[in-house]
Amino acid sequence: DAKTTQPPSMDCAEGRAANLPCNHSTISGNEYVYWYRQIHSQGPQYIIHGLKNNETNEMASLIITEDRKSSTLILPHATLRDTAVYYCIVRVLYGGATNKLIFGTGTLLAVQP
Amino acid sequence: GAVVSQHPSWVICKSGTSVKIECRSLDFQATTMFWYRQFPKQSLMLMATSNEGSKATYEQGVEKDKFLINHASLTLSTLTVTSAHPEDSSFYICSARDSESGGQPQHFGDGTRLSIL
Repeated sequence: DAKTTQPPSMDCAEGRAANLPCNHSTISGNEYVYWYRQIHSQGPQYIIHGLKNNETNEMASLIITEDRKSSTLILPHATLRDTAVYYCIVRVLYGGATNKLIFGTGTLLAVQP
Repeated sequence: GAVVSQHPSWVICKSGTSVKIECRSLDFQATTMFWYRQFPKQSLMLMATSNEGSKATYEQGVEKDKFLINHASLTLSTLTVTSAHPEDSSFYICSARDSESGGQPQHFGDGTRLSIL
């Protein structure tokens, strides 16, 4: 079972920042937080991952709370092409059989013109 | 960046036939690949973990004789849906992780849409 909770849907105006929350209150000390997105009829696309420090790359920023029980994915300037289902997943970085990505229901982000 | 290629991207076939889907890692070696299935308006469901040179590990409820997985090389895994029926119609997606870089994320193919008539 997925170990994360996300709102089923969110709207965001084009050009504004999109902030997608994720709760992972049962996260273990050796589990990372991964974010993927899936645009309609395509395979999931990796966005970013982190352990406890905030992370930033060319696509997004990841803010993880100090207790690591929740995180927020930030798309700084959302465009229409960012409309997708966003998945927050926790997973150990190493670890054999437990090193699987288990998808929850995700958040459908609709960017409005 | 890492690329995972799936073929075919879509297939339509008659009930009772077998369908093979290929998954290739194009610029990295993958000792482990993963196969997912996704029904309309649902999330991805992990079917099995494909291990190079050994048997696949299937998730609970997935029939191993129905969904044959072969991972003969470090860059290729195949999923064969045997004696396919309309209820097997779905979006099948593979994923792979660079075996040389344990910290790297999994990358996904663009999926294969299977329609059984």
